[in-house]
Amino acid sequence: AQSVTQLDSHVSVSEGTPVLLRCNYSSSYSPSLFWYVQHPNKGLQLLLKYTSAATLVKGINGFEAEFKKSETSFHLTKPSAHMSDAAEYFCVVSDPGDDKIIFGKGTRLHILP
Amino acid sequence: NAGVTQTPKFQVLKTGQSMTLQCAQDMNHEYMSWYRQDPGMGLRLIHYSVGAGITDQGEVPNGYNVSRSTTEDFPLRLLSAAPSQTSVYFCASSYSGTWAYEQYFGPGTRLTVT
Repeated sequence: AQSVTQLDSHVSVSEGTPVLLRCNYSSSYSPSLFWYVQHPNKGLQLLLKYTSAATLVKGINGFEAEFKKSETSFHLTKPSAHMSDAAEYFCVVSDPGDDKIIFGKGTRLHILP
Repeated sequence: NAGVTQTPKFQVLKTGQSMTLQCAQDMNHEYMSWYRQDPGMGLRLIHYSVGAGITDQGEVPNGYNVSRSTTEDFPLRLLSAAPSQTSVYFCASSYSGTWAYEQYFGPGTRLTVT
C-alpha cells in the first residue's frame, strides 16, 4: 500500500528566499504524485502533478518539484518566496489501479517579512 | 460552470442528530469522494464513488453513509452525530479515478457536534 510522509509540519522562510517542502513516498508501483495548496479557510488547489513523464515538474506560481525514484522523494521548491505563498501544502500519492489517494499530514509554510 | 459545490458551509449539531452534507459537481466527473480534515491529520478519505450506483469505503467510514444515484450528486449522511465527527468536510471529484487525474475540491463544510 502506498504512503506519504511530509517531513516538516511547519516551515518558516523570509520573503525572497528559497522554499523547500519535503515529501517522501512509499509505493509498490509507478505512482502519480501531486502537491496541493490550501490557503486559510479555502478548499484545495492543485499546484503540480507527476505522472511518469518528465521527472522535473513545473507548477503554478513558480513552484516546481522533482521526482527522485532512488530517494523516493518528491520535494517542492520555489526560488523566491512571496507573502502570498503562506498556506498549507499537501503531498499526495496515488497508485495505478487504486481508487484512493493518500494525503500527507501537511506542511504549513510561514513567510516572514 | 460552478465546479464542485457543497452545502451547508457551516453546521452545528447536537450529539445523536442526523444530517446530510450535500455535494454536487457539473463537470460530468465519474469519480467523487468525501474527506474529513482534522488539525495535523491531513485529509482522510471517508467514502468514494467511481460512478453512479457504485460506492466504497475509505479510511474512516464509520458513522457515515453515502449513495450515488446520479453522476452529479454525492451526499454524505451522518447517521447519529458524535463529537468526534467535529471536522471540516471536503467533497472532491475527478474525471476518472485518482491516478494521474487532478481532484477538484469543494469549499468545505465546517461541522461542529456538541
